[in-house]
Amino acid sequence: AQSVTQLDSHVSVSEGTPVLLRCNYSSSYSPSLFWYVQHPNKGLQLLLKYTSAATLVKGINGFEAEFKKSETSFHLTKPSAHMSDAAEYFCVVKGSNYQLIWGAGTKLIIKP
Amino acid sequence: EAQVTQNPRYLITVTGKKLTVTCSQNMNHEYMSWYRQDPGLGLRQIYYSMNVEVTDKGDVPEGYKVSRKEKRNFPLILESPSPNQTSLYFCASSLSWTEVSTDTQYFGPGTRLTVL
Repeated sequence: AQSVTQLDSHVSVSEGTPVLLRCNYSSSYSPSLFWYVQHPNKGLQLLLKYTSAATLVKGINGFEAEFKKSETSFHLTKPSAHMSDAAEYFCVVKGSNYQLIWGAGTKLIIKP
Repeated sequence: EAQVTQNPRYLITVTGKKLTVTCSQNMNHEYMSWYRQDPGLGLRQIYYSMNVEVTDKGDVPEGYKVSRKEKRNFPLILESPSPNQTSLYFCASSLSWTEVSTDTQYFGPGTRLTVL
């Protein structure tokens, strides 16, 4: 069965410093992986997705994620945090039967 | 504008009073799905529909019903709501069921339900 674990419930960084949100997955085959973002009181937006092409995936708003099969990880990074990045981020893996399995979420806090 | 709409956005009700949350998409998508979001649990799928008249249970279907009589609408029905169904609900759609894992899922704005 597929599963996903987000290793931090909260991450706090200063504006202008790098962001790292960690995600580990479990899958019995080559997975499809996604990162979604949810801004306060807003809906969900796709940041990026990995579907067995390039292991480094670039998304919107300067985010990128690297698929590492040996580590079963799909961490999300951004070189320089902006105040507008404050939101909750979800790591998602494709489950069997074409369902999406969601991590518990990581709240990103940006300090001025 | 391509979008998924949900109504109502906020609802406070009492235990046992039947309610329906509507979901509609204008993108001619085949696949639609309902999720609930609870703190610390992420999103969990309630039901999904691969096409008209085709629905199936997700991970947490107990206490919910759905119907898909036409492509654009996918209402969520709570026949006898209970307090443990207090949650934030999202409807989503994507082009087809075979593409649900790679294509973008478009989400509605959410419905915050409180059951007293």
